[in-house]
Amino acid sequence: SQELEQSPQSLIVQEGKNLTINCTSSKTLYGLYWYKQKYGEGLIFLMMLQKGGEEKSHEKITAKLDEKKQQSSLHITASQPSHAGIYLCGADSGGYQKVTFGTGTKLQVIP
Amino acid sequence: ETGVTQSPTHLIKTRGQQVTLRCSSQSGHNTVSWYQQALGQGPQFIFQYYREEENGRGNFPPRFSGLQFPNYSSELNVNALELDDSALYLCASSLGSLRAETQYFGPGTRLLVL
Repeated sequence: SQELEQSPQSLIVQEGKNLTINCTSSKTLYGLYWYKQKYGEGLIFLMMLQKGGEEKSHEKITAKLDEKKQQSSLHITASQPSHAGIYLCGADSGGYQKVTFGTGTKLQVIP
Repeated sequence: ETGVTQSPTHLIKTRGQQVTLRCSSQSGHNTVSWYQQALGQGPQFIFQYYREEENGRGNFPPRFSGLQFPNYSSELNVNALELDDSALYLCASSLGSLRAETQYFGPGTRLLVL
């Protein structure tokens, strides 16, 4: 079965700093999702990447998919306290829509 | 907000009891997936319903069952509750059941089994 490993597990950054979160898959990635979750709440969809080399941006968040490395990265520029939360990557892992998730990266942004 | 709602928000049950969780999909969405998220873990796929039929299932025992109604709302039923069933239960709706259809998640139901 497919496994997703996220690194780092947790991150504390000063407001205004840039940061990167990585997601590495044990199998070929067909579709990669990034979600954000505030503690105990539902997941907020950030973006979806489908093709190798694809890069998408939303506000100050950019995600890239490296198909050959079976890896995706999420980069936040000039972090703000509103970016704090748990970031989860998820991958399509079945013929139907079953998403396998990583264990998450907990981000804290210190003002 | 995604338009996906879940009820109740919190629930406390005792071992051996049965529980029903409810999910109302985003308007126009015909697929609903259910996930279990234990504390500190990523969500684990339970099953998916597409047009009222179970369309796929994760590694969960039969005491986890579901229903999808003609209006595409859904229920998750768990029988013979165990302590390890304590978790955040999330439902997600999407327009189709194929890969790469974006799933929109509800706020979740937090279940505590004592």
